[in-house]
Amino acid sequence: AQSVAQPEDQVNVAEGNPLTVKCTYSVSGNPYLFWYVQYPNRGLQFLLKYITGDNLVKGSYGFEAEFNKSQTSFHLKKPSALVSDSALYFCAVRDVAGNTPLVFGKGTRLSVIA
Amino acid sequence: DTAVSQTPKYLVTQMGNDKSIKCEQNLGHDTMYWYKQDSKKFLKIMFSYNNKELIINETVPNRFSPKSPDKAHLNLHINSLELGDSAVYFCASSQFAGGNEQFFGPGTRLTVL
Repeated sequence: AQSVAQPEDQVNVAEGNPLTVKCTYSVSGNPYLFWYVQYPNRGLQFLLKYITGDNLVKGSYGFEAEFNKSQTSFHLKKPSALVSDSALYFCAVRDVAGNTPLVFGKGTRLSVIA
Repeated sequence: DTAVSQTPKYLVTQMGNDKSIKCEQNLGHDTMYWYKQDSKKFLKIMFSYNNKELIINETVPNRFSPKSPDKAHLNLHINSLELGDSAVYFCASSQFAGGNEQFFGPGTRLTVL
């Protein structure tokens, strides 16, 4: 069975500082990995994904994530946080093999303080 | 142009009623999904359709019945609504399943009284 862990319910960071939102995953085979962001009263928006290839993935709004197979992690990062980055962030995984659903983590609320 | 749209945005109803939520995507995608997000923001897949055929059916009560009249539409009908059905329901679509990102609708907030 596949699963995702986002160990932090809340991450607080000062505007202009780097941010990291953590994600670890478990799949039986190889993973497809995704990050989504949800603003209040909105649907989820895709940020970036890892399918194959380069372990460092760049996405929307200056976000990036690094796939680390040995640590089964896919942490989301941004060099300089903006107040407008404050939102709920979801990591998601699905196994490459088979017709399995996308499984989401419980979400991490990011608060960027001016 | 709205990529994935849902109606209604809000739905307030009494226990025991039957209600439907409609979803349409204009992206030309083959795969559509229904998710439930509970009050703690936990997001869980309910159903997935590929080209009008059901491909994923998670452990969902059979009071929930999806219907896909064509690949651009995936509607959700709920019979005999219960208090525990109160949640936000999201429709999503993707080009195919697999490694393709999903595009989400704005959500339908269902409140069962």
